[in-house]
This record gives sequence, C-alpha cells and structure tokens, in this order.
Amino acid sequence: QSALTQPASVSGSPGQSITIPCTGTSSDVGGYNYVSWYQQHPGKAPKLMIYDVSNRPSGVSNRFSGSKSGNTASLTISGLQAGDEADYYCSSYTRTSTRVFGGGTKLTVL
Amino acid sequence: QLQLQESGPGLVKPSETLSLTCTVSGGSISSNSYFWGWIRQPPGKGLEWVGSFFYSERTYYNPSLKSRVSISVDSSKNQFSLKLSSVTAADTAVYYCARDYGGNFGDYFYYMDVWGKGTTVTVSS
Repeated sequence: QSALTQPASVSGSPGQSITIPCTGTSSDVGGYNYVSWYQQHPGKAPKLMIYDVSNRPSGVSNRFSGSKSGNTASLTISGLQAGDEADYYCSSYTRTSTRVFGGGTKLTVL
Repeated sequence: QLQLQESGPGLVKPSETLSLTCTVSGGSISSNSYFWGWIRQPPGKGLEWVGSFFYSERTYYNPSLKSRVSISVDSSKNQFSLKLSSVTAADTAVYYCARDYGGNFGDYFYYMDVWGKGTTVTVSS
C-alpha cells in the first residue's frame, strides 16, 4: 500500500494559520471518514489531534481543525504557537482493511 | 488511566526474529471496541503501521510485512506481542504499541488514541 501524500514541510509565523494537506485515493481518504491526525514532538510518541476527519479529542485546543474534500484531507492550525512546532501525520483506514499513514510534515514556527 | 508499555530486546541480529511485548494497564485488552496495534518509525523517517489485532482473534497486517509478521495476545497477562522474522537493518526503528478504536464491532480502524512511549530496536551483528 502507498503512503498518503503530505508536504515534507510547512512553516508559519506565530499567530498565523497554516494548512497541511493529506492526499490519498478513493480507496482510503476519499472512501471513508476515518481520517486521523497525529502530532509528534522530537523523541516523543505521537498524540492524536483529530479523528474522524474533523473531531477533536478532549483536551486538544480548538485551534486545531480538520476537513476533507474528495481524496484530500487537511489539518488547519490557527493562531500558531511555538509549541505547535512538531511533525504531523495523517492516517486513514483503507479498503483492504489496513491502516496507512502519510509521510509526515514538519511544521516550523518562524 | 489506560497505559501501554513496550518491552523487548534493544538489539537483534540480522536474519533473527524480533520479539516485542506490549503490556496494557488501567484497562482490559479483551474489549469488543478496540484493536491493539504496532507501529514503527525508522530513524529520521515517518510512521509505518505494522499490524493490529481485534479481541476476537482477527489480525490485520501491513501487506509489505505480512510474510514476516505475527501478532498474538495473552489475555491472562493483558499483553500482546509482535514477532518479526528474518530481520534486516531496514527493520531498525522505534516500535510503538497503540490502541486503535474499532467501533462496536471492529469494522474499521477509526483512530489510535493511546500510545506507548516506544522502544528502540536496532538490527545489527
């Protein structure tokens, strides 16, 4: 199975908003609303930030939001803060009953 | 509060079998709503799903690893294990175990909400 496609890096200044796209196919992202996003700081385990495309777990800031259009899901972070600097991964259920991750995006807060 | 903890050898020789265990505390592994899975991350690279199992003994594996991987469970110890055979340097990674919500019947992989801290495995002679 092929990894979902994410940009290698994105950047933004404090207070700005950024969007990270995650492109798959109709067999994964486009076919199911089971897209999730994970934040990973260096040396740490991933943390769930968004599930089922656009839902936030309890305790996650409402500055994080998710959406999907066709085969592309997106994570938007508004009001960027220094602590948001991390790697972000999308993931989706697939038609063949597997899970696939994106290649990851490194967010730099300038 | 549910916690997961990986354990196992940090060094494995090429061609041998990598064996890791994930111990679950603060909750039961015998849940009809959750998968229990393994994810790995090679140094400097992204996350890769290795496989997951559902309490009814259904297992699912990454097609690229399927011929070498197996996941088993010991409900009496609230643990599940990963075995990866014929390892090479490409299997060097941090290995995480995680809980994956599967809905009422384990029909889909919804999201991974609880993760272990990860354990580093190096394949080298």
